[in-house]
Amino acid sequence: GNSVTQMEGPVTLSEEAFLTINCTYTATGYPSLFWYVQYPGEGLQLLLKATKADDKGSNKGFEATYRKETTSFHLEKGSVQVSDSAVYFCALRGPEAAGNKLTFGGGTRVLVKP
Amino acid sequence: GAGVSQSPSNKVTEKGKDVELRCDPISGHTALYWYRQSLGQGLEFLIYFQGNSAPDKSGLPSDRFSAERTGGSVSTLTIQRTQQEDSAVYLCASSLAAPGEQYFGPGTRLTVT
Repeated sequence: GNSVTQMEGPVTLSEEAFLTINCTYTATGYPSLFWYVQYPGEGLQLLLKATKADDKGSNKGFEATYRKETTSFHLEKGSVQVSDSAVYFCALRGPEAAGNKLTFGGGTRVLVKP
Repeated sequence: GAGVSQSPSNKVTEKGKDVELRCDPISGHTALYWYRQSLGQGLEFLIYFQGNSAPDKSGLPSDRFSAERTGGSVSTLTIQRTQQEDSAVYLCASSLAAPGEQYFGPGTRLTVT
């Protein structure tokens, strides 16, 4: 079945530091890949997505590239802010024939200190 | 516009009792999903409704769990004879179509004592 593995947190870093959160997946066919973010006290929000190999999703300074050869979708941001403190979830959605449910990684808590 | 809403926001119940959790999707969204977020299991899919099609129940953990969607809009997740391991945050999401971007509600935190 489908599965997503992402680095465990918490990740603690200083403002303006570079952030990378690793995400790898196992899936049949060609899944779509997502990063969701959960800010303190808020619901899950879609951060970015990529639907085919070599696509780059980007939003709010975050980027992730769909790498089929390494089955990865690592999240990066060049200069984090305190407001980026949140829990980040990598997720995949299988091909339509496999249903539209999302399979999530375990989440990575990120804490950015001023 | 209004997002996905869920009620109640918090529910404390005694072991063995039944509970009902409600989800109001975004108006016009044809697909509705339930997920569970717990410390031990992370975020896991429970059930998915798409229009008038039979729901995908493949994620329901036991026959104590059931869900329905009335009139293609509001959905209710029912847990019968609750157990302590049912304690979790239950998340509902909806999308305009399937596949499509899923918009999540704030969740219902269920605590079984």
